[in-house]
This record gives sequence, structure tokens and C-alpha cells, in this order.
Amino acid sequence: DSGVTQTPKHLITATGQRVTLRCSPRSGDLSVYWYQQSLDQGLQFLIQYYNGEERAKGNILERFSAQQFPDLHSELNLSSLELGDSALYFCASSVEGTSGRSGYEQFFGPGTRLTVL
Amino acid sequence: GESVGLHLPTLSVQEGDNSIINCAYSNSASDYFIWYKQESGKGPQFIIDIRSNMDKRQGQRVTVLLNKTVKHLSLQIAATQPGDSAVYFCAENRVTGGGNKLTFGTGTQLKVEL
Repeated sequence: DSGVTQTPKHLITATGQRVTLRCSPRSGDLSVYWYQQSLDQGLQFLIQYYNGEERAKGNILERFSAQQFPDLHSELNLSSLELGDSALYFCASSVEGTSGRSGYEQFFGPGTRLTVL
Repeated sequence: GESVGLHLPTLSVQEGDNSIINCAYSNSASDYFIWYKQESGKGPQFIIDIRSNMDKRQGQRVTVLLNKTVKHLSLQIAATQPGDSAVYFCAENRVTGGGNKLTFGTGTQLKVEL
């Protein structure tokens, strides 16, 4: 158990809909990262938040957005869903997230499996 | 083991043998290289890292080798055990805009045969 929790575990929805994925980082970790894992694209970095502020951005679509709240939990919002958005979405956390091992040693949650029908 | 490609390569080894998993990376500006292990149904788990100015680092039963000349990274697992069965990802770390960006390879499936 990494200490990172994600809800829900599974989510089934229809095209065009909007969903929100939730993540609680390990106690004391300030950085939260979101990743998408699909069969054809592998594990893709989406976005990083550090203590409430966006710090790094990856291949995140404009239809997707995220935020980190004062209690450090984070939410990933996916809107206008398409079939291709079906994937595993992982949240990870790290102690810091600015540089060095405190950033790249990330602790991953169990993931949310999103199915878009 | 083979370098990553579009399809997940598979490495099958006998229990007790040594495993070597390879990875090619693309970005010379990466400051650290990391190996993650992902067991079925779980999120990736950090195994070992190596700084870009090093060529070898050893952990418990694992060794990472970095060859910057050919942009190649490998993970060696000694005395492979059934619990080592998983998908292994190499990752490059870059510090960007004050944050950390990990770029993962497509992974190698390690299967340990009894």
C-alpha cells in the first residue's frame, strides 16, 4: 500500500459526459501528479501540482483539467469524454516535487479505470 | 530483454536466473533515470534511480547501468524470484518550470518461470 488513495476504482460513462477523479496523497507529500495509462500510449504524464499550484504540464488535453485543494487532495476533471479517453488514470505523490529524488520518487495510487461507452 | 517498442516486449526467465531489462531513452537533458515496477492491478512502484553523471548503481538484488553514449539504460535483477514478475518501466526525469516531469518508456513484461 503506497498510502495514496484514489476514488472511484472504476467508472463507466458515456461519450460527451464529464467525470471527476479524486486523489488523496500520502500524508506529508506536497506534490501530486496525474498520469494516463492506455494500451496504445503507455504511461503518460498529464500534470503536476505542488502545494496547490500547477508546476509541470505534460500531454494533457484542453478537455481535461486538474486542481489541488488546500488539504492537498487533488481532482482531475475530464469533460466531453470520447471513446479514446478510456484508460487507467493514476495519481502519484511525492514529498517535494521541485528537483531531485524528492520529486521523481513518486508513490502511485491504485488507479481509476475509466471506461467510456 | 529488448528495448521498448510499440508492443510490450516480454522477457521470460527461470527462477534463480539473472534478468536484464533494457531501455533506450531519447532526452540527453534528463537529470535522473529511474526504474519502476508495476504489478498486475497496481500502480507503478519506484525501484532504483541513477543520476545522469553516473554509469552504475547497485541496490538490493538490482543494478542499473547507464550508457550515455548510446542513450541506453538497463536493469539487472539477480536471482530472479516469482515476486519479480511484473512490467518494468524506465523513466527519464526532467526538472521543468520548477516541477518534475517523468517520461516513461513503454515497459517490458518480466515473466518468471518456476
